[in-house]
Order: sequence, then C-alpha cells, then structure tokens
Amino acid sequence: GENVEQHPSTLSVQEGDSAVIKCTYSDSASNYFPWYKQELGKRPQLIIDIRSNVGEKKDQRIAVTLNKTAKHFSLHITETQPEDSAVYFCAASSNDYKLSFGAGTTVTVRA
Amino acid sequence: DAGVIQSPRHEVTEMGQEVTLRCKPISGHDYLFWYRQTMMRGLELLIYFNNNVPIDDSGMPEDRFSAKMPNASFSTLKIQPSEPRDSAVYFCASSRAQGEQYFGPGTRLTVT
Repeated sequence: GENVEQHPSTLSVQEGDSAVIKCTYSDSASNYFPWYKQELGKRPQLIIDIRSNVGEKKDQRIAVTLNKTAKHFSLHITETQPEDSAVYFCAASSNDYKLSFGAGTTVTVRA
Repeated sequence: DAGVIQSPRHEVTEMGQEVTLRCKPISGHDYLFWYRQTMMRGLELLIYFNNNVPIDDSGMPEDRFSAKMPNASFSTLKIQPSEPRDSAVYFCASSRAQGEQYFGPGTRLTVT
C-alpha cells in the first residue's frame, strides 16, 4: 500500500516568515495530494489539494508543489500568522478516496 | 448545511463492552469514510462506502470492528468487544465524487 512520509515533525517560525513542509510517497499510481490543517481539539480541514497533472497550485498565502518524478510534494505558507499555528497533514491517493496520511507537522508561529 | 454529525462526542466504556459510534453525512454526499486518529498511528482510514456499499475495509484493524451504512444518511462503526488499545478519536467524513472530504467533529473513545 501507499506510504507517506512527512518532514519535519515540528516547525517553529517567526511571524511573517515562511514555512515549508515536505512529503514523499511510495505509490507511483498516486495522483491526488491534499493537505489538511487540524487545530487543537478540532477536526481536520482541507486547505489545498493538487492533482498529478499540475505542478504547482496557489491559494493566497498557501502553495503546493508536486514533483511526480521524485515522488514528493511540498506545502509552502508565506507571511505566516499566529492563526497558522496547527498540525498540518499531507496525504496521497490513487483514486481520490483512499487517503494515506503523513504523520503530521506541528507548526508554531511565534509572535 | 449542518455538516457531518457524529454521536456521541465522548464515550467512556469498560474493556469488553460494545461500543457503537454514529455518523450522519452531509446530504447529497455519496461517499462516507471512517477514520481513527491516535498519537502512535496518526490518522488512518478504516473503511469507506460509496452509495451505502462498503468499497474498501482493508483498514479495519480486526474482526472486533464492523461498520454499516443502512441508508444514505446514517452509518455506524461498532467495536465488540472493546479493548483499551481502541482508545482514539474516531472521525467520520463524507464527500461527493472526487470532492473534498468533510470531517465530522469526531468521537473521543476511552476504553478503561
């Protein structure tokens, strides 16, 4: 089955700086890569996703890049704000439905 | 839109007891997912349904776990008998075809 590795496990950044989280996957058939944000005690919520026919996607301060050859994808958050503090999960799927999640990255934005 | 509804929100039970978790998906969503989240294992997909039919249950840990979806607006995840290692947050999620998965608030299960 799919194996998704996520790094780093924790990330502390100064407010206004950028944060980058990287994930690798094992199944070359994977073609859907969503990112979820989970605040403490809350449910995971989709923040951005990318499909294998696209190399990069942006949504305001958030961007995701995908390198299918190397089987890795990354989340970039620019101009970080305190409300960006949360756990971020990457995931991969070959059919849009069966998501395999990374272990998560705890992001702390220092004021 | 009420979102995905789960009940109970918290459940504390003794080892050996039967536990039933409930989920109401968003109206119009024809995919339903059950996930388990623990510190040790992270977020794991247990099973998912399409149009009330189980499609993939390869994530169900063992025979003590079972899930049903008798109609488009209701699903249950049952653990019988429960064990302390089943303690986790169980999320239900729903989606349209190739759509975003919307998670419910979760059920925090503690088995003593």
